[in-house]
Amino acid sequence: DQQVKQNSPSLSVQEGRISILNCDYTNSMFDYFLWYKKYPAEGPTFLISISSIKDKNEDGRFTVFLNKSAKHLSLHIVPSQPGDSAVYFCAASAQTGANNLFFGTGTRLTVIP
Amino acid sequence: GAGVSQSPSNKVTEKGKDVELRCDPISGHTALYWYRQSLGQGLEFLIYFQGNSAPDKSGLPSDRFSAERTGGSVSTLTIQRTQQEDSAVYLCASSLAPGHVYGYTFGSGTRLTVV
Repeated sequence: DQQVKQNSPSLSVQEGRISILNCDYTNSMFDYFLWYKKYPAEGPTFLISISSIKDKNEDGRFTVFLNKSAKHLSLHIVPSQPGDSAVYFCAASAQTGANNLFFGTGTRLTVIP
Repeated sequence: GAGVSQSPSNKVTEKGKDVELRCDPISGHTALYWYRQSLGQGLEFLIYFQGNSAPDKSGLPSDRFSAERTGGSVSTLTIQRTQQEDSAVYLCASSLAPGHVYGYTFGSGTRLTVV
C-alpha cells in the first residue's frame, strides 16, 4: 500500500518558468515531509523539508507547501533551470513509530532550455 | 570517506545464486538504512540499523534477504537464491541520528540484475 503518492510520473517545464511537483499522502500520522532530488546513476540527495507545524518552507528557488487537511504537499521551483532536470521524490515520516522514510514513486522533471 | 559508498555499482547474477551488497556509511553516522527501487516504483524500505540496537527488519520482503552491520559501521545486504523480481537498485543511506531530522545521505546504489 503506497502511503506516499506522486501521481505525475513526469513533468516538462520551460526554463525560467515555475515547476510544481505534487505529492499526496494517506497516513495522518506523518508529520515531517522531505523532498529528494535524484540524478541518473546517483543516490537521492536531500533538497528541502517541512514539519507539519508549518504550511510553507522556502529555501532559495525552492518552496514546499503543506496542506494538512488535504494531505497534500507540493514543491515549487522558480525560476526553473536546466540543471533542475532530475527525478524528485517526496518522502514522509512520523516522529514516533516508524524508523524510516516512506517515499513516493518520483516525478521526472525536465526543464527545457 | 566523505559520502556513503556502495559496492559493487552493478551486479549481474544468475537466478538462484547468492549476492552480497556492501555499504560503507559516513563515519560517525549511527543510523543506516537499506532501500530498494524496482523499475517504476518508489523507494521501498528494507532494513534499518541504529547503533547497537536490534535492527528493524520489517521491510525485508522474504527470508532470502538478510543484512548485518559489523562494528556499527559497514553493512552487508545478502540475498540468497536470487529471483528475477529481486532485480532493482539497492540504495544504502546513513544518518547522523535516527529518524528524519537530519535527512539521509544516500549512496549511489547497486544495480542488481538477475538473469
